[in-house]
Amino acid sequence: KAGVTQTPRYLIKTRGQQVTLSCSPISGHRSVSWYQQTPGQGLQFLFEYFSETQRNKGNFPGRFSGRQFSNSRSEMNVSTLELGDSALYLCASSFQGAERGETQYFGPGTRLLVL
Amino acid sequence: GESVGLHLPTLSVQEGDNSIINCAYSNSASDYFIWYKQESGKGPQFIIDIRSNMDKRQGQRVTVLLNKTVKHLSLQIAATQPGDSAVYFCAENHGGYQKVTFGTGTKLQVIP
Repeated sequence: KAGVTQTPRYLIKTRGQQVTLSCSPISGHRSVSWYQQTPGQGLQFLFEYFSETQRNKGNFPGRFSGRQFSNSRSEMNVSTLELGDSALYLCASSFQGAERGETQYFGPGTRLLVL
Repeated sequence: GESVGLHLPTLSVQEGDNSIINCAYSNSASDYFIWYKQESGKGPQFIIDIRSNMDKRQGQRVTVLLNKTVKHLSLQIAATQPGDSAVYFCAENHGGYQKVTFGTGTKLQVIP
């Protein structure tokens, strides 16, 4: 069974631009969550989607948004990029979600650099 | 506030020795704990988990110990190998996504 895949793997953007990241979960998984990982803050929860609905949201500004499609694939969008948005963005999937105490399986991440 | 922390930011171990990585948590309501391994350039990889109704769980070469009395979690790796070199971090779940807290990580360096 294929793992979680994320595209692109690397991105370089400039301040003010917007970016869209994509995540394909493990087949059969309906829950997709997004995390931001930085050296200083560690892993920070962004949001979680389940059956095309945002079910949980972390403490990030509205510039960070996402959506999920009927095939469970998910996209994350960041508008008006800031230097501080430079990070590794990770996607994780599970059958029902972390609320059920399930293990999440992470993708390789998208490394975003904002100049 | 609630937090999950690691005692040692870097751990150097001789190949073949056992490794012990520690994690302290502060929320007594946490009922599910996970250890992840993250190699350079990769996403976190699930290693082993444990629920609060257990105090020990074993996997292949890894053992997780949970001491709820002192809110302490540890990961033991037997016969450490060069491929074990990575950052290890723990996570606790005390009810939903907003309540999954990740530690900042411990870097394990295996000396050949």
